[in-house]
Amino acid sequence: KQEVTQIPAALSVPEGENLVLNCSFTDSAIYNLQWFRQDPGKGLTSLLLIQSSQREQTSGRLNASLDKSSGRSTLYIAASQPGDSATYLCAVNYGGATNKLIFGTGTLLAVQP
Amino acid sequence: GAVVSQHPSRVICKSGTSVKIECRSLDFQATTMFWYRQFPKQSLMLMATSNEGSKATYEQGVEKDKFLINHASLTLSTLTVTSAHPEDSSFYICSAIGQGAWEQYFGPGTRLTVT
Repeated sequence: KQEVTQIPAALSVPEGENLVLNCSFTDSAIYNLQWFRQDPGKGLTSLLLIQSSQREQTSGRLNASLDKSSGRSTLYIAASQPGDSATYLCAVNYGGATNKLIFGTGTLLAVQP
Repeated sequence: GAVVSQHPSRVICKSGTSVKIECRSLDFQATTMFWYRQFPKQSLMLMATSNEGSKATYEQGVEKDKFLINHASLTLSTLTVTSAHPEDSSFYICSAIGQGAWEQYFGPGTRLTVT
């Protein structure tokens, strides 16, 4: 069964800290992996997308890495800000005819001012 | 570009009634649309995949007669929750993929509350 797990489930850090969110997936034959941000009661905002052939992607203070062989991805947030507080979801696309996304369990991040 | 809208954003209905949620791709033609459900403090769970002009494919455990999906055009898919019950209260999110593409674009979600 294809499962995606995220740890930690919740994280609270003081403003300015660098932090790492983890995502693991059981089936390494992925097509791509995507990180999303979700604010309370809102939809999803796509942050970064990594193709299976890539090792990392960067956007501003965010850096996502991918290690297919170990079934892991990390999202690194540098110099965290209170505005980064949200739930972060990773999602794996196994491609094929359906292009279904399998979502992880999410990490609730709180950045304290 | 690649904007997906949902309507309504919030709906409250009485138990036993039916509710329709619309998902529209505003600036592209969506050959495939997905419907997800998200319970409080949980992740998104895929309910069904719909392709324009054909029947939806439901995930295991999702009742197709209860959650009716229609994808009649390349820009509109609807999800109808029939005979809603309080346990159907959830956040429903749709996404869409353009022809030949693979990236899903997500709508803002619809909060359904069944009283």
